[in-house]
Amino acid sequence: DIQMTQSPSSLSASVGDRVTIACRASQTIGSYLNWYQQKPGKAPKVLIYAASRLQNGVPSRFSGSGSGTDFSLTITGLQPEDFASYYCQQSYSSPRTFGGGTKVEIK
Amino acid sequence: QVQLEESGPGLVKPAETLSLTCAVSAYSISTGYYWGWIRQPPGKGLESMGSVYHNGRTHYNPSLGSRIIMSVDTSKNQFSLRLNSVTAADTAVYYCVKYSTEPPYNWFDPWGQGALVTVSA
Repeated sequence: DIQMTQSPSSLSASVGDRVTIACRASQTIGSYLNWYQQKPGKAPKVLIYAASRLQNGVPSRFSGSGSGTDFSLTITGLQPEDFASYYCQQSYSSPRTFGGGTKVEIK
Repeated sequence: QVQLEESGPGLVKPAETLSLTCAVSAYSISTGYYWGWIRQPPGKGLESMGSVYHNGRTHYNPSLGSRIIMSVDTSKNQFSLRLNSVTAADTAVYYCVKYSTEPPYNWFDPWGQGALVTVSA
């Protein structure tokens, strides 16, 4: 299985901040990397697919980059509704695997 | 837009079988796409359990061994999960998902609202 490692596991930030979350794959996965946002008690929703493509309806303050083994999700201008947990997920091979998650909290 | 809704018992006894169904609306399963199950133990991360195609072809996470069976019922436009010999470690919120694609890429979207299943005597 491909192991996905996210860092940090949690962070504190203020509204308006620029936040970056890292995700590393245990082997090269090209651009087969997706990002999800999950709020408490809710199902995750996709933000970014194919490493850098913004899902329809997702605000442009979210962006993704990277390829191979190293990826990042950036939120430029953090909004109150962005305080949530974020997960990366590889779609290169089965079984699909997720990173351990990053919880973005209010400073 | 496609909507998914999980249903099934919220409490299962140890060593018994967990059974969940995902009803799909606004899209015919028989048209195509893969459909899957993802679970999340309380306070923990996400685990993809496997997927099933509209023709019944399946892919399972090897971590679940031979305990898992997924199936589709195109006449009812739903797909199902069965997990045998459950233990407390199988307590989780179970989500059904659709594999969305923009070849060669795919991702999980949409998700059902989730169904909490607790394994306890």
